[in-house]
Amino acid sequence: EVQLVETGGGLIQPGGSLRLSCAASGFTVSSNYMTWVRQAPGKGLEWVSIIYSSGSTYYADSVKGRFTISRDISKNTLYLQMNSLRAEDTAVYYCARRAPSNWGLGYWGQGTLVTVSS
Amino acid sequence: QSALTQPPSASGSPGQSVTISCTGTSSDVGGYNYVSWYQQHPGKAPKLMIYEVNKRPSGVPDRFSGSKSGNTASLTVSGLQAEDEAAYYCSSYAGSNNLIFGGGTKLTVL
Repeated sequence: EVQLVETGGGLIQPGGSLRLSCAASGFTVSSNYMTWVRQAPGKGLEWVSIIYSSGSTYYADSVKGRFTISRDISKNTLYLQMNSLRAEDTAVYYCARRAPSNWGLGYWGQGTLVTVSS
Repeated sequence: QSALTQPPSASGSPGQSVTISCTGTSSDVGGYNYVSWYQQHPGKAPKLMIYEVNKRPSGVPDRFSGSKSGNTASLTVSGLQAEDEAAYYCSSYAGSNNLIFGGGTKLTVL
């Protein structure tokens, strides 16, 4: 069974850094296309980043240069390193697996809340 | 890119059909057949309901269907049931390895 479990969220001051983790089971992270999607409180979904099985990475303009997506093959875990955090980064962050042949995100974690506030 | 445009709310009575629209541009919805729809209940993660405009993942009831015309995609829920009450989000590939979402539509079953 495919499972994704995010951890690492919490309260962080503006300008701070945080690393989110997404532990996967039931499949191999490095062989799949993995994404991060966030949802600000009471708002809609926003795509954040993707890492392909090749290792290529892409980011939304809103986080480019501040966030880094990566993975650890030995731990079968996806990461999102978030630097220079801003109040507008406050959101629930979901990791999700993208289908290889289309852009449907078929498997999602439960999300982890990141609050950026002083 | 700007978010796709969805109506903030929609409603229907049990057994009725309701259609939710998702309007983009020729650079996203109109340019690719990579429109997806997600259902999200309060406090829960989104669930994929439709991908590639009109395909249903295994386990999604055939009451849910998708279509596209030009720059506008649509999700139709037929035979509304109480458990269909949720927020629905569309998404579309927007080129250059970017994905954009709609603002979401709150579906109320009256």
